[in-house]
Amino acid sequence: EPEVTQTPSHQVTQMGQEVILRCVPISNHLYFYWYRQILGQKVEFLVSFYNNEISEKSEIFDDQFSVERPDGSNFTLKIRSTKLEDSAMYFCASSEQRPSGANVLTFGAGSRLTVL
Amino acid sequence: GQQVMQIPQYQHVQEGEDFTTYCNSSTTLSNIQWYKQRPGGHPVFLIQLVKSGEVKKQKRLTFQFGEAKKNSSLHITATQTTDVGTYFCAGVGQSGGYQKVTFGTGTKLQVIP
Repeated sequence: EPEVTQTPSHQVTQMGQEVILRCVPISNHLYFYWYRQILGQKVEFLVSFYNNEISEKSEIFDDQFSVERPDGSNFTLKIRSTKLEDSAMYFCASSEQRPSGANVLTFGAGSRLTVL
Repeated sequence: GQQVMQIPQYQHVQEGEDFTTYCNSSTTLSNIQWYKQRPGGHPVFLIQLVKSGEVKKQKRLTFQFGEAKKNSSLHITATQTTDVGTYFCAGVGQSGGYQKVTFGTGTKLQVIP
């Protein structure tokens, strides 16, 4: 069964450092998403991406965050200057549906970010 | 913005007991999805409900979508230890020209053998 692949599985970084989380969505999917989950809390929407641009972003997704699809397969989330409160599990997801249809999300296993 | 709440936040049941989680949206939804997240895992899609009043079953799981398309429920009959995890509803609503998927607050189910 097709999978969404995320790397790294765990990253530990110092506060103020930049991190890049990588995702390989399912190949025929058109929509890409980043969600985050602080330990024990709900899954929070960060951003959705379609046709090489951001289609929607939440208030969490401020200027410290950026997303990019640098090639035909990777989808990255960059946090420019990490803060302690950025510590969370970051999930990438993809879906094959167009916006007029219902988007069923396939999630990756997540990248756990720990900011010290 | 769209908010999706779930109750209860936590539920402990004896194996064999039933379990229900309720989901409420602040806005009318296009459809609703349910996901299950096992401890230490990632959300996995269970089902999607589209029509007002729709009821769907998956073995011991029964999903309902409210008539007003603002609420939903998941009922598990005769829970098993394999049902342990957090159940999230996800409301799909229109946002500009796109459909936005907003996860509920989740209900964490613990099944005591």
